[in-house]
Amino acid sequence: DGGITQSPKYLFRKEGQNVTLSCEQNLNHDAMYWYRQDPGQGLRLIYYSQIVNDFQKGDIAEGYSVSREKKESFPLTVTSAQKNPTAFYLCASSVSRARRTEAFFGQGTRLTVV
Amino acid sequence: AQKVTQAQTEISVVEKEDVTLDCVYETRDTTYYLFWYKQPPSGELVFLIRRNSFDEQNEISGRYSWNFQKSTSSFNFTITASQVVDSAVYFCAHLSGGYNKLIFGAGTRLAVHP
Repeated sequence: DGGITQSPKYLFRKEGQNVTLSCEQNLNHDAMYWYRQDPGQGLRLIYYSQIVNDFQKGDIAEGYSVSREKKESFPLTVTSAQKNPTAFYLCASSVSRARRTEAFFGQGTRLTVV
Repeated sequence: AQKVTQAQTEISVVEKEDVTLDCVYETRDTTYYLFWYKQPPSGELVFLIRRNSFDEQNEISGRYSWNFQKSTSSFNFTITASQVVDSAVYFCAHLSGGYNKLIFGAGTRLAVHP
């Protein structure tokens, strides 16, 4: 079945470590997104990518990095520079920039700093 | 800048009651898109509806209906005869016509009690 797969579902990180969250889609979508969700604050955009090898910062990009080497994949690295990384992370994709269609979401990764 | 406001943080109703979730948006775009998503306890966001700024017709889908009014910049969502399975967090979102940056409101948590 087509969809978006995020892994792992739960992730624990020690202080000072970098961790990478995986996001893969087989929907043939051009655009992909990473959002962070904190309780009571809705979803905030971290990074988004319209095409392969191109991505833009969202509203809270500091402490995060991404790559888009393949159309299907948009991994997010949470670096040690991110001061408060404990949150729920959601990856999404949509058809393309030109077509303003809805975004489809993965099931999320819950990251906890221990 | 675009902004989406969902003033209702939490709503609690008894099964079979009707409930309306409010959404107010701010935008300078003449062309834009509005969305509603449902987030059940599993965490994944489920797309419910998309509305274009040039189409103010209300829409009904089963027990769900949406009222889009450009004059008041509102895109409200009504659930008729609510059911326990409707319990979730509901998000309203705005997409600029200029580029694919999807901005979310803070969400409204709906609890439907038997």
